[in-house]
Amino acid sequence: YVLTQPPSVSVATGKTATITCGGYDIGRKSVHWYQRKPGQAPVLVIYNDGDRPSGVPGRFSGSNSGNPATLTISRVEAGDEGDYYCQVWDSGSNPVIFGGGTKLTVL
Amino acid sequence: EVQLVESGGGLVPPGGSLRLSCAASGFAFSSYDMHWVRQTTGEGLEWVSGIGTVDGPFYPGSVKGRFTISRDNAKNSLYLQIYSLTAGDTAIYYCARGVGGHWHFDLWGRGTPVTVSS
Repeated sequence: YVLTQPPSVSVATGKTATITCGGYDIGRKSVHWYQRKPGQAPVLVIYNDGDRPSGVPGRFSGSNSGNPATLTISRVEAGDEGDYYCQVWDSGSNPVIFGGGTKLTVL
Repeated sequence: EVQLVESGGGLVPPGGSLRLSCAASGFAFSSYDMHWVRQTTGEGLEWVSGIGTVDGPFYPGSVKGRFTISRDNAKNSLYLQIYSLTAGDTAIYYCARGVGGHWHFDLWGRGTPVTVSS
């Protein structure tokens, strides 16, 4: 199973960033999203398509109503810069699948 | 503080072996599935092993036979033994806590770097 993400997304401070994650029949799967900054531990920002862990700002939201699934970051801040990865569970021989990652640049 | 701290990475020659460790604190370690995920240079994240509270271990086909995951609940520790290392194993190795019936990872360590080179 393959998840496809755009390599990079650029957005101006204060605007909305949308990061996509495409995969076959992805609407039938639960999609999770992680933020990774250099030298830091990755952080779960969205799980089960659209749920937000405690401590994650409400500016982060997720949707999976079809192909692709999306991560939306509203009112983008400089501190949101980093790499974002989507992830699903698959019933095949490799049950944990990550997308290739999207580098978010805040202009 | 709830955290995971990896150790044991370093420079290893091709064909060598390495044992990574992950120390957990601040939560009931024995109650969680635990995993290793790596970030190779220039590539994305790759799940390389998992172990449940009562089942497992689990591996993707790409590492089966060379990677061995284990845990010691008495020491709140997770381990990853890697054999027959190749340049393709050069990566940052993260320890991660798995949750949900279909795994996702709600707590990660900062990672330990492994470099395979002569």
